[in-house]
Amino acid sequence: DVKVTQSSRYLVKRTGEKVFLECVQDMDHENMFWYRQDPGLGLRLIYFSYDVKMKEKGDIPEGYSVSREKKERFSLILESASTNQTSMYLCASSPPVGGEAFFGQGTRLTVV
Amino acid sequence: QKEVEQDPGPLSVPEGAIVSLNCTYSNSAFQYFMWYRQYSRKGPELLMYTYSSGNKEDGRFTAQVDKSSKYISLFIRDSQPSDSATYLCAMRNSGGSNYKLTFGKGTLLTVNP
Repeated sequence: DVKVTQSSRYLVKRTGEKVFLECVQDMDHENMFWYRQDPGLGLRLIYFSYDVKMKEKGDIPEGYSVSREKKERFSLILESASTNQTSMYLCASSPPVGGEAFFGQGTRLTVV
Repeated sequence: QKEVEQDPGPLSVPEGAIVSLNCTYSNSAFQYFMWYRQYSRKGPELLMYTYSSGNKEDGRFTAQVDKSSKYISLFIRDSQPSDSATYLCAMRNSGGSNYKLTFGKGTLLTVNP
């Protein structure tokens, strides 16, 4: 059974904190993604990675950075958390060719 | 024009009904089409995956792709209360950016017992 695991289901952080969201996949997929999901806005791509140490900006990268040191792990970093980053964060992975992408269970982040 | 359009609903049906969910798109390069089901406060779960045009059936679920009309559908037969969720369509092309998925905003479905 394919699996994408996000390190936390719920997080509460203070404004200005540095926040790390971790994602691990066990499918040996090359591609990994971070999305945020907000009511009325749908899923928006923050960053993606198509190989170890490779990354590309998505549609809304401002305020975020990522790290991919190992193939199975993709981290999202909020450099200085702000209240407008309160959201549901979703990690996904997919093979390099073909369409199937698999998601983790999501991290509900609240910044106070 | 948005790349992918999906009616947000909400859609409310009685148990046992046939449900039709739809998305339209504008990018003719899309080749791979997916439907996800998302329960409240959970991550999206892949339901159906199709390549190019045609139909695919899996149990009570049927996915249809009509590339000539740029239109995809998901049919749910004999709908159950457990089908109550948000349904997201997603698609990607097979070109240089073939890793990027484009999503609809989702349709909220409620199946009433």
